[in-house]
Amino acid sequence: AQSVTQLGSHVSVSEGALVLLRCNYSSSVPPYLFWYVQYPNQGLQLLLKYTSAATLVKGINGFEAEFKKSETSFHLTKPSAHMSDAAEYFCAVKKGGSEKLVFGKGTKLTVNP
Amino acid sequence: DAGVIQSPRHEVTEMGQEVTLRCKPISGHNSLFWYRQTMMRGLELLIYFNNNVPIDDSGMPEDRFSAKMPNASFSTLKIQPSEPRDSAVYFCASSFFLDTTDTQYFGPGTRLTVL
Repeated sequence: AQSVTQLGSHVSVSEGALVLLRCNYSSSVPPYLFWYVQYPNQGLQLLLKYTSAATLVKGINGFEAEFKKSETSFHLTKPSAHMSDAAEYFCAVKKGGSEKLVFGKGTKLTVNP
Repeated sequence: DAGVIQSPRHEVTEMGQEVTLRCKPISGHNSLFWYRQTMMRGLELLIYFNNNVPIDDSGMPEDRFSAKMPNASFSTLKIQPSEPRDSAVYFCASSFFLDTTDTQYFGPGTRLTVL
């Protein structure tokens, strides 16, 4: 069964600092991986997705993630945090041929001025 | 595009009452998903439809929950009778399923409180 583990339920960074949100996956077959962002009182919005075309994936709002098969990881990064990045971030995995997304528990990002 | 539309946005009801949540997917999308989000369990897939047909309802917690999709532009999630432990945010999402890489688009959610 597919699953994802997000290390750290809360991450706090200073404005302008590097953002690193960790996601490790477990999948018996090559996975498709997604990062979603949820702002307060809103639905989830896709940030980026890995579909095996390229290991480094660029998304919206300056975020990117790198798929590392050897480490079974898909960590999300942004070089310089902005106050507007404060939100909850979810990593999700989907097995090939399936429509079902399995979400991690989420990481709440706080950006300090 | 209007995006996925959910109603109501907030619902407060008393234990034992019937609750109906509504969803209008993005026009042209052929898959629809219902999720529940709680602090304890995170985001859980309850059920999903493809071309209006329920494909997987293994996430539906119990018989008190039911979902229907009578046409391509409307779906309901019903809880009868409701219980306090059903309090959560319920999300509807839709996608155009071509292959596994398709993106699910989420609605704003319905915050349900059962007293």
